[in-house]
Amino acid sequence: EIVLTQSPATLSLSPGERATLSCRASQSVSSYLAWYQQKPGQAPRLLIYDASNRATGIPARFSGSGSGTDFTLTISSLEPEDFAVYYCQQRSSWPQTFGPGTKVDIK
Amino acid sequence: QITLKESGPTLVKPTQTLTLTCTFSGFSLSTSGVGVGWIRQPPGKALEWLALIYWNDDKRYSPSLKSRLTITKDTSKNQVVLTMTNMDPVDTATYYCAHTNYYDSSGHVDYWGQGTLVTVSS
Repeated sequence: EIVLTQSPATLSLSPGERATLSCRASQSVSSYLAWYQQKPGQAPRLLIYDASNRATGIPARFSGSGSGTDFTLTISSLEPEDFAVYYCQQRSSWPQTFGPGTKVDIK
Repeated sequence: QITLKESGPTLVKPTQTLTLTCTFSGFSLSTSGVGVGWIRQPPGKALEWLALIYWNDDKRYSPSLKSRLTITKDTSKNQVVLTMTNMDPVDTATYYCAHTNYYDSSGHVDYWGQGTLVTVSS
């Protein structure tokens, strides 16, 4: 099973700041990595798939990069609605696995 | 538009069998590349894939839960059913139904149900 590790666990930032979230895989997942955003009481929402492709309707301030074992989600300028928990997920091999999440909260 | 909705009991007793139904609309599970599965999330914890069934009836199960899980589809009813046997309090979680499509979002989950909280307690 591929283990995903996310860092940091919590990121405290102010609106307008840049957020950089990291996801590392225990073995290569090629580019088969996605990022999801989850707010309290809601289902996750797909932001990025295949490491760098924005899902439908996702604002351009969200971008993804990386391949192999190291990936990054960048939010260029935080909006108030961006404060949430972010999960990475790999679909390279079954079982598909999620990371433990990074919480982005307001500083 | 694509929608998915989970239904089933909100409370089950230890050792009982849980049966959850996902009823969906806006797509067909007989279309090439489409899959519907189940993901759960214990309170305050991360997400965990449980099972996934594809348009061609190919099935995938979490290895750690495989002996307890069965996933089936009824294409005519637009439903996917998950059964989990021998429920335990550690299985308390929100259970999500999830849609995937190889040709739209490369097989990642692009649509989610609202989730249903299942509590396991005597």
